[in-house]
Amino acid sequence: EAQVTQNPRYLITVTGKKLTVTCSQNMNHEYMSWYRQDPGLGLRQIYYSMNVEVTDKGDVPEGYKVSRKEKRNFPLILESPSPNQTSLYFCASSFREGRETQYFGPGTRLLVL
Amino acid sequence: LAKTTQPISMDSYEGQEVNITCSHNNIATNDYITWYQQFPSQGPRFIIQGYKTKVTNEVASLFIPADRKSSTLSLPRVSLSDTAVYYCLLLGGYNKLIFGAGTRLAVHP
Repeated sequence: EAQVTQNPRYLITVTGKKLTVTCSQNMNHEYMSWYRQDPGLGLRQIYYSMNVEVTDKGDVPEGYKVSRKEKRNFPLILESPSPNQTSLYFCASSFREGRETQYFGPGTRLLVL
Repeated sequence: LAKTTQPISMDSYEGQEVNITCSHNNIATNDYITWYQQFPSQGPRFIIQGYKTKVTNEVASLFIPADRKSSTLSLPRVSLSDTAVYYCLLLGGYNKLIFGAGTRLAVHP
């Protein structure tokens, strides 16, 4: 089944403790991206990647890192999480570009205490 | 990136047609108008995309006037399961996506 998977789905952590949220797609997509969703603000793009080793900032990249060492994986790294990063995170992928149909993962709900 | 404006919320009843309008006065020549649907606690799902005039698929229709400064997503005969947030995006040659807050549609029995 073609899909985007994220792990973990739920995570509670404390301020300053590094964490990684994984994202994987099995559709051989080149474009991948991360979003956060907060009440009243809709989805905001954090980072996106056009292909392996090619990443670029979205609208809200501060406090996040990403890497794209393999085509199928695009992990989101919070080196020193803070409470304002408590949010619902979505990973998405598309065949080649952002303007193509985006396929979203199930989401990761993060709480930073 | 051109900005879009859509109503914050709308209400409808089962069986009615719902039209959600999106304004995009500064749309660029290479922008495609794209709509996504999002149910609570799920990722958005692509609904429809168009460049001009009218596009129809099994889920919705998209009406785009000649000046392309606005667009209307039309959902025929909505049901309770159409209750969701609907996002209008302009997608051109760039790869940053801006979803905005969307339109929260509530369908009532």
